[in-house]
Amino acid sequence: DAGVTQSPTHLIKTRGQQVTLRCSPISGHKSVSWYQQVLGQGPQFIFQYYEKEERGRGNFPDRFSARQFPNYSSELNVNALLLGDSALYLCASSPDPNSNQPQHFGDGTRLSIL
Amino acid sequence: AQKITQTQPGMFVQEKEAVTLDCTYDTSDPSYGLFWYKQPSSGEMIFLIYQGSYDQQNATEGRYSLNFQKARKSANLVISASQLGDSAMYFCAMREDNQAGTALIFGKGTTLSVSS
Repeated sequence: DAGVTQSPTHLIKTRGQQVTLRCSPISGHKSVSWYQQVLGQGPQFIFQYYEKEERGRGNFPDRFSARQFPNYSSELNVNALLLGDSALYLCASSPDPNSNQPQHFGDGTRLSIL
Repeated sequence: AQKITQTQPGMFVQEKEAVTLDCTYDTSDPSYGLFWYKQPSSGEMIFLIYQGSYDQQNATEGRYSLNFQKARKSANLVISASQLGDSAMYFCAMREDNQAGTALIFGKGTTLSVSS
């Protein structure tokens, strides 16, 4: 079975631009979460989606938005990019938000802002 | 205040030795979950082991075990018989209920280096 897949793997943007990152969860997983990991730190929670509804939101500005599609895949959008948005963006899936099952992560998208 | 504290920025161990990676947590919720993940230099986060707050026994998964001391709010990862491939960053995380959903709160990580 395929794991969590994310695209693209690498991305270079300039300040002020907008970016869209994509995630496909493990088959059968209906919950998708997004995390930001800056260099040298642990991942920080951005969003959680379940059944196309936002279930949780971390402490990130409104420039960050996301959505989940009927097939449970998800997109993370970041507008008006800042240098500080340079990070590894990780997507994780789980069967449902309240499950004790672990969240399984994709390989991430490395976003560099010039 | 930090909810997950990993006090060891780096740990060094020789092959075949055991190593303990420390993790303390802070929560007032009686129901929570604790996870350990491994992150090699390539970047992917690999799930290792899970401990629920109500679990009576310490979790074990192959060479990984979790030394769960609830009263001390610690959840240390023990890796037995270290291998060169264990060299990576290790993160302790706590599942936090966030209204209707759940988020993982991560520590800053510990870099483990295994030498031959």
